[in-house]
Amino acid sequence: QKEVEQDPGPLSVPEGAIVSLNCTYSNSAFQYFMWYRQYSRKGPELLMYTYSSGNKEDGRFTAQVDKSSKYISLFIRDSQPSDSATYLCAMSVPPTGNQFYFGTGTSLTVIP
Amino acid sequence: GAVVSQHPSWVICKSGTSVKIECRSLDFQATTMFWYRQFPKQSLMLMATSNEGSKATYEQGVEKDKFLINHASLTLSTLTVTSAHPEDSSFYICSARDPGQRDSLSSYNEQFFGPGTRLTVL
Repeated sequence: QKEVEQDPGPLSVPEGAIVSLNCTYSNSAFQYFMWYRQYSRKGPELLMYTYSSGNKEDGRFTAQVDKSSKYISLFIRDSQPSDSATYLCAMSVPPTGNQFYFGTGTSLTVIP
Repeated sequence: GAVVSQHPSWVICKSGTSVKIECRSLDFQATTMFWYRQFPKQSLMLMATSNEGSKATYEQGVEKDKFLINHASLTLSTLTVTSAHPEDSSFYICSARDPGQRDSLSSYNEQFFGPGTRLTVL
């Protein structure tokens, strides 16, 4: 069983839609939960990170962590064509959090 | 924000040759750098952790004699793919930590990723 599972998609939505991206994990020791956006042939860039459980909001993006279900989500409101990319979840264990465990990424296309 | 660069951005080489990829932290000193490999439509897989001034720590299944890592300074780590073969063709991405940017509450320390190097071995 992989440490982190993520539906690879592809996911296609119309502009303005709410997008929901999800990951599940098996290691209960994970405390850091990250979402990255990766454009084609580029390195990942951090969108948000969450420590332990709860919600975090940043503009149109909301990250949720449900540790009881070992399930994390990223919501994108009012999606834009520029949001078209691959979204990767990642997790790590404190205190150093050295190794990041990545999901396979979900490919998202927002259609104008 | 912290910037990490990689050079070259892409390289094509013949089978059997060696290729060196550089990873630089441009505006911070990185005591730890990481090397990942990403195959098409797959996730990033950690290959090794590189600590300045010491030997790299390789993940299980990664051949340390094939993937040579040198972290000679606080701003530069290099990955050399020795005797490259077509199966080594992949997207190689490095990341670096800025120890000065550790979150005071959670102790979370972000990894900043480079833009990646696409290696094609013919």
